[in-house]
Amino acid sequence: GENVEQHPSTLSVQEGDSAVIKCTYSDSASNYFPWYKQELGKRPQLIIDIRSNVGEKKDQRIAVTLNKTAKHFSLHITETQPEDSAVYFCAASTGTASKLTFGTGTRLQVTL
Amino acid sequence: NAGVMQNPRHLVRRRGQEARLRCSPMKGHSHVYWYRQLPEEGLKFMVYLQKENIIDESGMPKERFSAEFPKEGPSILRIQQVVRGDSAAYFCASSSSGSLLEQYFGPGTRLTVT
Repeated sequence: GENVEQHPSTLSVQEGDSAVIKCTYSDSASNYFPWYKQELGKRPQLIIDIRSNVGEKKDQRIAVTLNKTAKHFSLHITETQPEDSAVYFCAASTGTASKLTFGTGTRLQVTL
Repeated sequence: NAGVMQNPRHLVRRRGQEARLRCSPMKGHSHVYWYRQLPEEGLKFMVYLQKENIIDESGMPKERFSAEFPKEGPSILRIQQVVRGDSAAYFCASSSSGSLLEQYFGPGTRLTVT
């Protein structure tokens, strides 16, 4: 089955700096890669996703890149703010209506 | 536009009791997924259901766990004879037939087994 690895497990950046979180996946059939943000005690929130026919996608301060050959994808957050502090999860799935396999999460701390 | 609803939000059960967790998908969504999150860990897939059908239960423990999504009413995850190791947050997610890829999560049920 699919295996998703995520690094780093914790990340501390100063406000205004950029943050990068990286994930690798094992199943070459995976073609959908969402990112979720989870604040303490809250639900995972879908913040951005990318499909395998696209190499990069941007939404304001958030961008995701995908390298299908190397089977890795990354989340980039620019101009970080304290409210970006949360746990971020990457995930992969092999197609429509299929289960998500999650990475182990990255705890991002944005300090003033 | 109500999101995914789950209840109860917190559930305390003694060892050996049964736990029933309910999930109502977003309006217009007919696909439901259940995930389990242990403390300080990621989410693990358990089961995927459509109305009256279990599509994928590859993540469900073989014993004590069952799930259903009846024609009317919410999806239910049932855990019989709970043990301490069942303590976790259980999240459900839903997706629509028009956009099957995107899964939106409910607030979760935090199960504590004493």
